[in-house]
Amino acid sequence: KAGVTQTPRYLIKTRGQQVTLSCSPISGHRSVSWYQQTPGQGLQFLFEYFSETQRNKGNFPGRFSGRQFSNSRSEMNVSTLELGDSALYLCASSSPGTASNTGELFFGEGSRLTVL
Amino acid sequence: AQSVAQPEDQVNVAEGNPLTVKCTYSVSGNPYLFWYVQYPNRGLQFLLKYITGDNLVKGSYGFEAEFNKSQTSFHLKKPSALVSDSALYFCAVRDYDDGNNRLAFGKGNQVVVIP
Repeated sequence: KAGVTQTPRYLIKTRGQQVTLSCSPISGHRSVSWYQQTPGQGLQFLFEYFSETQRNKGNFPGRFSGRQFSNSRSEMNVSTLELGDSALYLCASSSPGTASNTGELFFGEGSRLTVL
Repeated sequence: AQSVAQPEDQVNVAEGNPLTVKCTYSVSGNPYLFWYVQYPNRGLQFLLKYITGDNLVKGSYGFEAEFNKSQTSFHLKKPSALVSDSALYFCAVRDYDDGNNRLAFGKGNQVVVIP
């Protein structure tokens, strides 16, 4: 079974630009969550999508947005990039609401964004 | 709101010695507790979890963790550390009773195993 796939793995942008990151969950998983990881703030929850609907949202400005498609793939977008947006963005999938759900998230390798 | 505290920034241990990484948690309901490990430039890998049942949970790569409800702790342990265990370790909690799928992570502990 393939794991969570995130693309691109690395990218460099300049301030003011926008970026879109993609995540393909494990087959059969309908929940996709996004986390931002920085050395100073650690892992911070961005949002969770389930069946194309945003179920939870963390404490991030409106420049951070996401969506989920009918095949459960998800994208997140950051507009008007700031230097502080440089981070590792991690996507995780799970299968809540099923008998097989035991609560853990399965993470991708992450997309490392550098904002210059 | 759920939260996790990992009080130590770095844990140094000699190869072959026991390894302990500490974690305390706070939730309003019943906790789901997890440990993840992260190697450089990689995502998080699941190690083990506590849902219900035995307080001692065994996981991958020889790791185990003990759930202590009265102390609200979930410390990660390994009887004999390997150099390859050097990595960043995260404790996480989810509130089982609030129905959402959101994990709260601790800030992480850097484990350094000295040959």
